[in-house]
Amino acid sequence: EPEVTQTPSHQVTQMGQEVILRCVPISNHLYFYWYRQILGQKVEFLVSFYNNEISEKSEIFDDQFSVERPDGSNFTLKIRSTKLEDSAMYFCASSDFGKREVTGELFFGEGSRLTVL
Amino acid sequence: GQNIDQPTEMTATEGAIVQINCTYQTSGFNGLFWYQQHAGEAPTFLSYNVLDGLEEKGRFSSFLSRSKGYSYLLLKELQMKDSASYLCAVSTDTGFQKLVFGTGTRLLVSP
Repeated sequence: EPEVTQTPSHQVTQMGQEVILRCVPISNHLYFYWYRQILGQKVEFLVSFYNNEISEKSEIFDDQFSVERPDGSNFTLKIRSTKLEDSAMYFCASSDFGKREVTGELFFGEGSRLTVL
Repeated sequence: GQNIDQPTEMTATEGAIVQINCTYQTSGFNGLFWYQQHAGEAPTFLSYNVLDGLEEKGRFSSFLSRSKGYSYLLLKELQMKDSASYLCAVSTDTGFQKLVFGTGTRLLVSP
């Protein structure tokens, strides 16, 4: 069964360092997302991406964050200068909404745990 | 603002039925989703409601009342593996661009 894959599964970094989290969405999906979940808290939307551009972003997604689809398969989230409060599980998701208009369910990857020291 | 409320924790015994409630107040509404999340894992899709009424899917059913801003997830014939968090999420625009999640209900199923 097709799945969303994410790397790395866990990254530890120093405050102020740049981090890139990578995702390979399901191949025929058109919509891509990043969500994050701080330990013990709710899943929060960061950004959605469609047709090679950001379609919506949340207040969390400030200038320190960027997303890119550098080739036909990868979807990356970059945090330019990490802060302690960026420590969280980052989930990539993709959706085939547009092909199956009924649900638009999200398919989540297993997540990348980011620890900022 | 966006507000989605669920109970924090529930307990039930194997073989029983449990109902997890969710109330929402959002700026837009284009459907309500339920996801299951085991500890340390990704959320997985359970159900979707956009019209009022009950959607049944095996042991799981989900109900929606748009006028009351209310949904519930019903789990029947509980199994130990159903111990997980259950996340209520609302799609707030027509493009399924963004889901707003509740804090989740942690369900513990005991023998």
